[in-house]
Amino acid sequence: DSGVTQTPKHLITATGQRVTLRCSPRSGDLSVYWYQQSLDQGLQFLIQYYNGEERAKGNILERFSAQQFPDLHSELNLSSLELGDSALYFCASSTRSGGTDTQYFGPGTRLTVL
Amino acid sequence: GEDVEQSLFLSVREGDSSVINCTYTDSSSTYLYWYKQEPGAGLQLLTYIFSNMDMKQDQRLTVLLNKKDKHLSLRIADTQTGDSAIYFCAESPILTGGGNKLTFGTGTQLKVEL
Repeated sequence: DSGVTQTPKHLITATGQRVTLRCSPRSGDLSVYWYQQSLDQGLQFLIQYYNGEERAKGNILERFSAQQFPDLHSELNLSSLELGDSALYFCASSTRSGGTDTQYFGPGTRLTVL
Repeated sequence: GEDVEQSLFLSVREGDSSVINCTYTDSSSTYLYWYKQEPGAGLQLLTYIFSNMDMKQDQRLTVLLNKKDKHLSLRIADTQTGDSAIYFCAESPILTGGGNKLTFGTGTQLKVEL
């Protein structure tokens, strides 16, 4: 158990809908990261927040947005969902922000768009 | 640019050693990581190596780094059936702005046979 929690574990929804994925980092960690794992794209970095501020951005679609709250939990919002958004979404956390910081991953949220 | 490559499959017999290989492209990466993903589970951090090291040993795991060739390998001694999983190599390039992200390889599926 990494100490990173994600809810829900599974989510099934329809095209065009909007969903929110939630992540709580390990105690004491200030950075939260979001990754998407799909069969065709593999594991891809989406976005990083550090202490409430966006710190790094990857291949995140404009339909997706994230935020980190004062209690350091984070939410990833996915809107206007398409079939291709079906994937496993991972959250990770680390103590600080820099490139030497080890990331610990949560169990993931499996999103199915029908 | 960042690109991490791994072979897709490896099959070994129980008790043998497994060697999983990875090549990466970003020479600025300070740390290189190995993660394990079991079916239906999240990413478990196995080990990591700092880019100025050649080798790191951690119980049954040995990581070798050839920085000149940008080649990383993970050796698992005395491989057990419980080691069957997908193994991901990841690099952590230095980002402007002080952020952090992992670039993952495609993953190598290790199958351990009796």
